[in-house]
Amino acid sequence: GESVGLHLPTLSVQEGDNSIINCAYSNSASDYFIWYKQESGKGPQFIIDIRSNMDKRQGQRVTVLLNKTVKHLSLQIAATQPGDSAVYFCAEEGQGSGNTGKLIFGQGTTLQVKP
Amino acid sequence: ETGVTQSPTHLIKTRGQQVTLRCSSQSGHNTVSWYQQALGQGPQFIFQYYREEENGRGNFPPRFSGLQFPNYSSELNVNALELDDSALYLCASSPSTASDTQYFGPGTRLTVL
Repeated sequence: GESVGLHLPTLSVQEGDNSIINCAYSNSASDYFIWYKQESGKGPQFIIDIRSNMDKRQGQRVTVLLNKTVKHLSLQIAATQPGDSAVYFCAEEGQGSGNTGKLIFGQGTTLQVKP
Repeated sequence: ETGVTQSPTHLIKTRGQQVTLRCSSQSGHNTVSWYQQALGQGPQFIFQYYREEENGRGNFPPRFSGLQFPNYSSELNVNALELDDSALYLCASSPSTASDTQYFGPGTRLTVL
């Protein structure tokens, strides 16, 4: 079945360190992936996306890596700040008739930044 | 801020009642998707609307229905509420139906007693 999973429910890092959040997906046909950040009481906030014709994409302090061979996605956050504390979700777009546009989310990883 | 707004912010209903949630999409976006997020879980896709037509549906029963209006705003209606319908309901808008970033609103917290 469809599933997108994150490897760790909670990640605790020191302020200023780099953070790496991992995600495994199951559908090898997926060609669009997104990372969202969700703070308590708010809706998911877009961080960065990547399409399957790329294996790396960089944004401001964030990098997404896509390894299609092992169906693995990761989000790297450089110089983690207290404001980065949140739940991070990876999502893939569904494939097949009636599924395009449907985002399938993982369970989420909680990032805790220690001052 | 994404420009996607939802109302109301919070809602309390009792089992068996009906509820309507509203969403205004970001300017220039013609596609609206609805998601249900239970506590501690990732969002689950309910359905998507494009140009006033349903364009894909997740594994939700028919008592979950929706509408999209000519200005691309949307409603989610849930009939015969059940306790398990208690969740955060999220609306997301995007410029197109597929392979495009979906921008989420702040959500409506529904509690069913």
